[in-house]
Amino acid sequence: DAGITQSPRYKITETGRQVTLMCHQTWSHSYMFWYRQDLGHGLRLIYYSAAADITDKGEVPDGYVVSRSKTENFPLTLESATRSQTSVYFCASRTDGLGYTFGSGTRLTVV
Amino acid sequence: QKEVEQNSGPLSVPEGAIASLNCTYSDRGSQSFFWYRQYSGKSPELIMFIYSNGDKEDGRFTAQLNKASQYVSLLIRDSQPSDSATYLCAVKVNRDDKIIFGKGTRLHILP
Repeated sequence: DAGITQSPRYKITETGRQVTLMCHQTWSHSYMFWYRQDLGHGLRLIYYSAAADITDKGEVPDGYVVSRSKTENFPLTLESATRSQTSVYFCASRTDGLGYTFGSGTRLTVV
Repeated sequence: QKEVEQNSGPLSVPEGAIASLNCTYSDRGSQSFFWYRQYSGKSPELIMFIYSNGDKEDGRFTAQLNKASQYVSLLIRDSQPSDSATYLCAVKVNRDDKIIFGKGTRLHILP
C-alpha cells in the first residue's frame, strides 16, 4: 500500500532497554522527520533527514539515534530507554513545497 | 527561537456557527503556513495550506494570512460535531528544512 507506515503501533519496554521504531514511506519523498507528541508540549522535532545518509538534529535529539541508509526507511532508536521517553512518536515525510504527511504513530511506554 | 503560538482552548462553538482559530508566528521570514487537524488518538492531517496574503477557501474551510501582522487564521463555516478536534498551526521558513508546529487549539462543536 502507498503511504507512510510506522511499526509497532504500541510498545512497552523497560528502562535501559534499546528499542527501535520503524518508519517506511512508498513515495520516495526526500525529507523525513521524527516527532514526539506530549501533553502540554505539542509536536517536538527529534531528528530529520533531507535524503539518504543525511540526517540532522531537531529540538529534542538527546537519547535518540537515527539512520537513513535507504530513502524509504527512517528508523528511530532509543539507545537506553528512560521513562521520560514515554510518548507518542510520529514519523512524517514531505514533498517539496507542501506540508507533511504523518504516519499513524507509535505509542511507546517505558516502565 | 522561532515560535508559533495558539490558544490551547478548548474553544466551544455551537453547531452550525463559524469557528475561528488563530495563530501567530515570530519569524518574519516565514513563507508557508499550514493547518492540521488531529482527532484524539490519531495522527495530524493536513487540511489547508496558504502561501500568499489574503484568504484561501476550500469547502467549509477558509485560511487567512496577514504577513504584516504575522497572523494566520482558520475559519470553519457551518461547524459540525465531526469538526471537534485539535487544530495545529504550522509554519515553514523557506531557508529552513523544517516546519514548526504550534501546540494546537482544541475545538469542541456543541450539538
